[in-house]
Amino acid sequence: QSVLTQPPSASGTPGQRVIISCSGSSSNIGSNTVDWYQQLPGTAPKLLMSTKNQRPSGVPDRFSGSKSGTSASLTISGLQSEDEADYYCAAWDDSLKGWVFGGGTKLTVL
Amino acid sequence: QVQLQQSGPGLVQPSQTLSLTCAISGDSVSSNRAAWNWIRQSPSRGLEWLGRTYYRSKWYNDYAVSVKSRITIKSDTSKNQFSLQLNSVTPDDTAVYYCARTGFGGDNDYWGQGTLVTVSS
Repeated sequence: QSVLTQPPSASGTPGQRVIISCSGSSSNIGSNTVDWYQQLPGTAPKLLMSTKNQRPSGVPDRFSGSKSGTSASLTISGLQSEDEADYYCAAWDDSLKGWVFGGGTKLTVL
Repeated sequence: QVQLQQSGPGLVQPSQTLSLTCAISGDSVSSNRAAWNWIRQSPSRGLEWLGRTYYRSKWYNDYAVSVKSRITIKSDTSKNQFSLQLNSVTPDDTAVYYCARTGFGGDNDYWGQGTLVTVSS
């Protein structure tokens, strides 16, 4: 049971906008910024969206993130086939004094 | 460009100690702007943070409650690397283990390639 809650799956057609949600609590998302990771099969998670809504170099601006209260979301605009992957949210938890993760959302591009 | 290169055995017997090393290039394990983490991933547990080490005029370690009694993370400044030791492993510790850097921005921005560790006799 992951500390952060994500939908297990999401889907969309090329060109569509997809939103993936992440729900937490006051000790993690409510107090700290949220990171999003993309994981392709057989590879390590890759930082997609940094805490201050910044994208690391090379990440397309089709990816954006937002946070409100104890929830966060990742928006993928103009969905492309190469976006098919698993997406994870993460945040530092002040009570647990460690990083906590969502269970992951498998994105399928139809 | 920061790179993290993991090494260590892929098979550990039950009750034995799991040992992995993460060699750092492009940064320093004793940087006062970074932290060095171990994270694992399994179908049953998902992504699970295990602990970290970092230097801020002295060395600090933080460990997840779930493994606190069994884990040790150490740094080796002479080799610019850090290591994970997890004692008394069981099949439930079978997972892909990753090392990762928490950078100045507060994000886990660089990850090792991952090591699948199977606990089995």
